[in-house]
Amino acid sequence: AQTVTQSQPEMSVQEAETVTLSCTYDTSESDYYLFWYKQPPSRQMILVIRQEAYKQQNATENRFSVNFQKAAKSFSLKISDSQLGDAAMYFCAYTKGNTPLVFGKGTRLSVIA
Amino acid sequence: NAGVMQNPRHLVRRRGQEARLRCSPMKGHSHVYWYRQLPEEGLKFMVYLQKENIIDESGMPKERFSAEFPKEGPSILRIQQVVRGDSAAYFCASSPRSGSTYEQYFGPGTRLTVT
Repeated sequence: AQTVTQSQPEMSVQEAETVTLSCTYDTSESDYYLFWYKQPPSRQMILVIRQEAYKQQNATENRFSVNFQKAAKSFSLKISDSQLGDAAMYFCAYTKGNTPLVFGKGTRLSVIA
Repeated sequence: NAGVMQNPRHLVRRRGQEARLRCSPMKGHSHVYWYRQLPEEGLKFMVYLQKENIIDESGMPKERFSAEFPKEGPSILRIQQVVRGDSAAYFCASSPRSGSTYEQYFGPGTRLTVT
């Protein structure tokens, strides 16, 4: 079964600095999709960024970017120029494309003013 | 384009009562997933439905829980004879399935409290 591991239960970052959240996964598939979701205190799940495994180029969305290492099965999220509104739980998720998402346990990110 | 709608947002039930949670997917989406989130944990898959069909219910307890997605109307997650352990946030997500990225769009969730 596929598993997703987020080894950092909590992280903190100074406002305007950069932080990297780690995620590793286990799969025997060659084609799959990876996501980072943000869950603020409102508990709404917000899609932050997506990565298709067949694409070598790392995905980027404004201040958010990923470091996708397929061989290492690693999918880290980098947040640049951190803002107070970035404070939230961040979940890494995996799907092979026609199956439900498998989530990690999450990383709670605090942003210090 | 309205997002995924869930109601109610908060639901309080006494032990032994029934809970009905509703989910209306985004327009044009015909695939619905239900997830449960216990306090301080990630989301766990429960059931995956298409219109009038249950595709995968491997994450849903076999007793007391059922789900449907009729041809017309919202998807319903039904919990009979609720117990305190059912207290959680229940999220619905929808997907168009016609795209290439398989992303799922989430509703705001229903927080169920069993007293």
